[in-house]
Amino acid sequence: DTGVSQDPRHKITKRGQNVTFRCDPISEHNRLYWYRQTLGQGPEFLTYFQNEAQLEKSRLLSDRFSAERPKGSFSTLEIQRTEQGDSAMYLCASSPGTSNQPQHFGDGTRLSIL
Amino acid sequence: AQSVTQPDIHITVSEGASLELRCNYSYGATPYLFWYVQSPGQGLQLLLKYFSGDTLVQGIKGFEAEFKRSQSSFNLRKPSVHWSDAAEYFCAVVRYNTDKLIFGTGTRLQVFP
Repeated sequence: DTGVSQDPRHKITKRGQNVTFRCDPISEHNRLYWYRQTLGQGPEFLTYFQNEAQLEKSRLLSDRFSAERPKGSFSTLEIQRTEQGDSAMYLCASSPGTSNQPQHFGDGTRLSIL
Repeated sequence: AQSVTQPDIHITVSEGASLELRCNYSYGATPYLFWYVQSPGQGLQLLLKYFSGDTLVQGIKGFEAEFKRSQSSFNLRKPSVHWSDAAEYFCAVVRYNTDKLIFGTGTRLQVFP
């Protein structure tokens, strides 16, 4: 069990640029989740996948955000035309998807918008 | 709508003292409840979970939590705190019919020697 891996750990970019984050879940976990955490707050749900299907998206996920999980393994989260308010920690989690199985989190990608 | 309240934003205890972190949830059915811990700049680590059955749940690192339906609470406890327990603690509930986690705002624990 190698855990959930996220890359990069930190990303600093200028406002208006596009950024992409990657998440590698625990192998054989068929559910993958993205959360966003701002300073002093708990994580907030963004979206999740069952295998390659994106099953739910939060209203927090504006049109500038897109997530994919093309082969049901790793996932990417892209933010286009970044804004100051996008500065946050982006957390990925995975779970087996069966009942009574908790989500396991990666260490997150911290995004800073200059 | 489901929600989680952690009334204490910041708690300070001395090393060796007992600890109780409060969590109240709002949920219509039997909830799935979790406690996670987060060290600075890190992701979340699962401490313990409650799905059903025994209302006193044991977790890792000597933590336990008690589910009290009558009080809509799931408080986290530890009999003797260690300096390494200093971190942010989050209570969470799973939303009905999905397994989307809804988190509280967290309690920051500071431990003095």
